[in-house]
Amino acid sequence: DSGVTQTPKHLITATGQRVTLRCSPRSGDLSVYWYQQSLDQGLQFLIHYYNGEERAKGNILERFSAQQFPDLHSELNLSSLELGDSALYFCASSEYSGANVLTFGAGSRLTVL
Amino acid sequence: SQQGEEDPQALSIQEGENATMNCSYKTSINNLQWYRQNSGRGLVHLILIRSNEREKHSGRLRVTLDTSKKSSSLLITASRAADTASYFCATAQGAGGGADGLTFGKGTHLIIQP
Repeated sequence: DSGVTQTPKHLITATGQRVTLRCSPRSGDLSVYWYQQSLDQGLQFLIHYYNGEERAKGNILERFSAQQFPDLHSELNLSSLELGDSALYFCASSEYSGANVLTFGAGSRLTVL
Repeated sequence: SQQGEEDPQALSIQEGENATMNCSYKTSINNLQWYRQNSGRGLVHLILIRSNEREKHSGRLRVTLDTSKKSSSLLITASRAADTASYFCATAQGAGGGADGLTFGKGTHLIIQP
């Protein structure tokens, strides 16, 4: 157990739907990063929050959004889902906002049918 | 876009042999890290080497960094079946200071044959 909790572990939904993935960072960590892992694209950085504020955006689609709440948990919202959004979504946390070691959660596997 | 590129893409060796995988990157870095991922699981941090370091050891792991060639290597000595996994290098780019997240390569899939 890494200390980073992601729910749900698996999610199957249909095209056009909207889902929310949730992440609780490791105790004491203020930074949350979201990554998408697919076979063809590898691990892609989506977005980074530090202590409730957005710090950096990566290859995140406009249909996707995220936020970090005062208790530091984070949610990634994926809407108007397409087949190509099927992937593993990882949350990772670190103590600071910088070039630090990341602690990853177990991931949420999204399947869009 | 991928910053680090691992080589080889896949590697199969006998238990007890050493495994070497390489990583090349494109821009200046703050540090370079190696992570392991067991099939379908989350990534686990193995080792971090800073841009001003040339070599680092951790147990059976040895990492080298050559900033002039923009490359790194990960050596796993005396491999075990439990080392079967995908290994990723990740870089934190200097200018972004890591706020942009780590950039991962596509990984080397290592298979240890018993």
